[in-house]
Amino acid sequence: EPEVTQTPSHQVTQMGQEVILRCVPISNHLYFYWYRQILGQKVEFLVSFYNNEISEKSEIFDDQFSVERPDGSNFTLKIRSTKLEDSAMYFCASSPDSYPNYGYTFGSGTRLTVV
Amino acid sequence: ELKVEQNPLFLSMQEGKNYTIYCNYSTTSDRLYWYRQDPGKSLESLFVLLSNGAVKQEGRLMASLDTKARLSTLHITAAVHDLSATYFCAVDMGFGNEKLTFGTGTRLTIIP
Repeated sequence: EPEVTQTPSHQVTQMGQEVILRCVPISNHLYFYWYRQILGQKVEFLVSFYNNEISEKSEIFDDQFSVERPDGSNFTLKIRSTKLEDSAMYFCASSPDSYPNYGYTFGSGTRLTVV
Repeated sequence: ELKVEQNPLFLSMQEGKNYTIYCNYSTTSDRLYWYRQDPGKSLESLFVLLSNGAVKQEGRLMASLDTKARLSTLHITAAVHDLSATYFCAVDMGFGNEKLTFGTGTRLTIIP
C-alpha cells in the first residue's frame, strides 16, 4: 500500500535554529498538508498546498514557517527560528484530490524537540 | 469557527464490554473521518463517512454519521485489549476549505 514517508523521525534542535522537515507524499497525490500535534493534545492543521502554492494556512503558520515542493517528489516544512513551543509531532499528509472520498493519508511523523 | 468535540476524553473499559464514543461538531459538514493513534505513532484511518446516515463497520468497530444532528459515533463491541489507543474524529469542510479539523481525542484503555 502506498505510504507517505517523513524524515527524520526525530529531530532535536536548539532554540533559534532552523529546521527542515521532509515528506515524500504518495506519487499520484496532488494535495499536500502539514499538521502538528503537541504532546497529549489534538492534531492541528498548519497548511495545505496545491499546484505549487499554499491553499490555506492556519493562525499557527506564521512568518516563521514556510513550505516548498523543491522537486517532483519532496514536500518540506521549514521553521526558520525555532521556539520551545514548536516542540511537537509534525505530520505530513496527502490526498489525490480536494475533498477526497478515500480520505487523507498521513505519514509516520517527525518528532521535533526544541531545547 | 468549526469546533469538534469528543466525549468522553478518557475511557477505561473492561474486555468484552460495549461502549460508544461521541463526536459533535458545530458547523454543517457531510464528511467525517475516524482515526486511531497508538502512543507515539501516526494516524491510522479507520472510517470515512461521506453522507448523512452513513454507517461503516470493521471488526469490533462501527461508525455512523448523522449530519442533521452534527453527530458521529464510534461504537465498540466486545472490546479487546488490542483496541487500546486514542481515537480521533475529524471533520472535512469540503471544497475550498481543504483541511481536517480534529476532535479532542478519546483515550481508550481496555482492561483485561
